[in-house]
Amino acid sequence: GENVEQHPSTLSVQEGDSAVIKCTYSDSASNYFPWYKQELGKGPQLIIDIRSNVGEKKDQRIAVTLNKTAKHFSLHITETQPEDSAVYFCASLGNGQNFVFGPGTRLSVLP
Amino acid sequence: DARVTQTPRDKVTEMGQEVTMRCQPILGHNTVFWYRQTMMQGLELLAYFRNRAPLDDSGMPKDRFSAEMPDATLATLKIQPSEPRDSAVYFCASGDLVGTAGELFFGEGSRLTVL
Repeated sequence: GENVEQHPSTLSVQEGDSAVIKCTYSDSASNYFPWYKQELGKGPQLIIDIRSNVGEKKDQRIAVTLNKTAKHFSLHITETQPEDSAVYFCASLGNGQNFVFGPGTRLSVLP
Repeated sequence: DARVTQTPRDKVTEMGQEVTMRCQPILGHNTVFWYRQTMMQGLELLAYFRNRAPLDDSGMPKDRFSAEMPDATLATLKIQPSEPRDSAVYFCASGDLVGTAGELFFGEGSRLTVL
């Protein structure tokens, strides 16, 4: 089955700096890659996603890149703000219609 | 404002007791997932349903866990008997998965503590 790895597990950045979180997946049939943000005490919430026919997608300060050949995708957050502090999960969706999540990255944005 | 509703939000029980968690997915969504979240395991898939039919429950300990969807407005996850290692936050998520993509909407979770 699909296996999703995510690095780093924790990340601290200064406010205003950029943050990058990387994920790899194993199933070449996977074709949809969302990123979820989980704030304390809440359920994860979708922040951006990318399909396999696209290499990059941007939404304001957030961007996601996908390299299908290498089977990895990354989340980029620019000009980080304290409210970006949360746990971020990458995921992949394959033909089985089963979302497999990475283990998560705890991002701390230091003022 | 459509949302996934889970009950109870918090449950403390003693080992050996039966626990039932309930989820009301967003109306019209065709897929419902149950995930378990612990500090060590991240988001672990337990089971999921498509149009109320169970598609995969390989992530569940079959001897004690069961998941059902008696109707389109209710999904249940039952643990009998519960054990301390079941302590975790259980999330229900629903989505209208069309083709090969779709957003999952998560509930706020049910925090289970088994003493």
